[in-house]
Formats: sequence, structure tokens, C-alpha cells
Amino acid sequence: EAQVTQNPRYLITVTGKKLTVTCSQNMNHEYMSWYRQDPGLGLRQIYYSMNVEVTDKGDVPEGYKVSRKEKRNFPLILESPSPNQTSLYFCASSLRDRGPYEQYFGPGTRLTVT
Amino acid sequence: AQSVTQPDIHITVSEGASLELRCNYSYGATPYLFWYVQSPGQGLQLLLKYFSGDTLVQGIKGFEAEFKRSQSSFNLRKPSVHWSDAAEYFCAVYLGGGADGLTFGKGTHLIIQP
Repeated sequence: EAQVTQNPRYLITVTGKKLTVTCSQNMNHEYMSWYRQDPGLGLRQIYYSMNVEVTDKGDVPEGYKVSRKEKRNFPLILESPSPNQTSLYFCASSLRDRGPYEQYFGPGTRLTVT
Repeated sequence: AQSVTQPDIHITVSEGASLELRCNYSYGATPYLFWYVQSPGQGLQLLLKYFSGDTLVQGIKGFEAEFKRSQSSFNLRKPSVHWSDAAEYFCAVYLGGGADGLTFGKGTHLIIQP
């Protein structure tokens, strides 16, 4: 089954404790992206990657890092999480020749930073 | 800057009644337009998209949307809603020509009354 998976689905952590949210897709997609969803703000892009070893900032990259060492994986790293990063996070992927617009979304990761 | 406006934060509709969710975008050119649905606890699923051509597009689950260039709108419609349609609906645009991701509206929460 074609899908985007994220782990963990739920995470509660404390301020300053480094964490990684994993994202994996099995569709051989070149393009991958991270969004955060906050009430009243919709989804905002954090980082995206056009291909392996190619990443770039989205609209709200502060406090986040990403890496793309393999085509299927695109982990989101919070080096020193803060409470304002409490949010619902979505990973998405798409075929590059279809642009980043035909995106398939993962189920989401709900992060709480206390 | 481009923007997507969904003027209705919440909409309540009786089961079996018709539905229209509004979406307006602010941009000089015609972007690629999308509607996504997010069911409780789920990721986003693409309902339909408009790139060019026929301004009335059909999507999954009995939804359709009409692009109106003169009004910069892309409203989502369904002739008869079902209780399972209760969800959050997001309009999104992609401007093309680059690697930027989708720009989302803030969402409309649809409530279905029995």
C-alpha cells in the first residue's frame, strides 16, 4: 500500500530535550515536505526537499532541522524544543515531475513540549 | 504575498442538505487549486484539484468545485452531505515554477446535524 508513515504519532517531551520525528514514504517520491498545523493558522511549511541531499527552508523553519540522506526518509529534528513548537506535524511527499502540489500526507504527529 | 482565505471557520449543515465551502485566493495569476479534507485524527486527503481547462472539477466522495477567475474563488460543493463528511476542509494553492509547497487556508470545520 502506497503511504507516508510518521513516527511517533504522539509525543510529549520537555523543553530542551532533542527529538526526532521520522517520516518515510514507499512511493519513490523525490519531493518531501514538513508542515505544522496550528489552530486558526492552517498548515505552514517548515522545510522541504527536492531530492536526496537537497533541502530548503519553508515558511517557518526556525527551531527545526531536516536531513535527506535517503530518498524514502525525511526526518524532522528539534534540537532544543520549546513550548511554541507544540503542534501537529505532517510529512508529505510527491513525484517531482508533478511538482510539489500533488502531495500525499502522513497521518500526523502530535507534539507537546512542556 | 499570495494568500488563501476561507471565510467560514465553522459551518453546520443538516444531513442530506447541500453544502458550499468558500475559498478565495489573492494572486495575480491563476494558481493550481486544491481542496483537502482532514477527518478527525487523520492526515490530509486530496479531494480534487484544478490546473486548467473545465472550471467545474469533480472529486472524490461526491464533491465538486468551481473555479471562477473573475471572483478569484474556488468553492467546494456537495449536493447532499452525509454524517461522514464531518471534517476539516482546507483549500490550498500552488503557484508553480518553483519548489515552494502548498499555501493553505486556515480551514473550515464542517459539522453535520442529524
